[in-house]
Amino acid sequence: RKEVEQDPGPFNVPEGATVAFNCTYSNSASQSFFWYRQDCRKEPKLLMSVYSSGNEDGRFTAQLNRASQYISLLIRDSKLSDSATYLCVARGGSQGNLIFGKGTKLSVKP
Amino acid sequence: EADIYQTPRYLVIGTGKKITLECSQTMGHDKMYWYQQDPGMELHLIHYSYGVNSTEKGDLSSESTVSRIRTEHFPLTLESARPSHTSQYLCASRDSGYEQYFGPGTRLTVT
Repeated sequence: RKEVEQDPGPFNVPEGATVAFNCTYSNSASQSFFWYRQDCRKEPKLLMSVYSSGNEDGRFTAQLNRASQYISLLIRDSKLSDSATYLCVARGGSQGNLIFGKGTKLSVKP
Repeated sequence: EADIYQTPRYLVIGTGKKITLECSQTMGHDKMYWYQQDPGMELHLIHYSYGVNSTEKGDLSSESTVSRIRTEHFPLTLESARPSHTSQYLCASRDSGYEQYFGPGTRLTVT
């Protein structure tokens, strides 16, 4: 079983739609969680950290459920520029290194 | 914008050649990382360093080696390239926080 698993995607949505991505992690000792964004053939960039209480950054809302080992990302009012692959990331292990999910591809259409 | 650089950006090379992928950062970060990413697949950590003269192997076994003689420089070397090494190699660094800053990557093709 992979340590971080994500919705397979791709998600094809119209502009203005609300879209939700889910992610599960297998290591209950994982300490921190993040969503990174990766554009096609580009490097990943941090989108937001995920806090236990849930957090919001503009149109983006992230939530963490430690009991279910589940993380989510909600994007409201999708823009064309949101088209990218969204990577779910957990920090854990003895060295606290990052474990990346395979990513969920989002395509926002006009 | 992160100040982390990788060269070359693209490399096509024949089997058996020795190659070094360069990674430099000007942020003074102690922690640096090398990831390997195949198209459509997740990033896998292959090497990391927590400071000068410190290097460790990551979760994915790799035939590559790394060195950390200077804080800002973390090169990756393949002594004898093979087609199975064809992939994208991403370098990253961070300070005491948890955000990792990635370089633009090197796309390696071994023919």
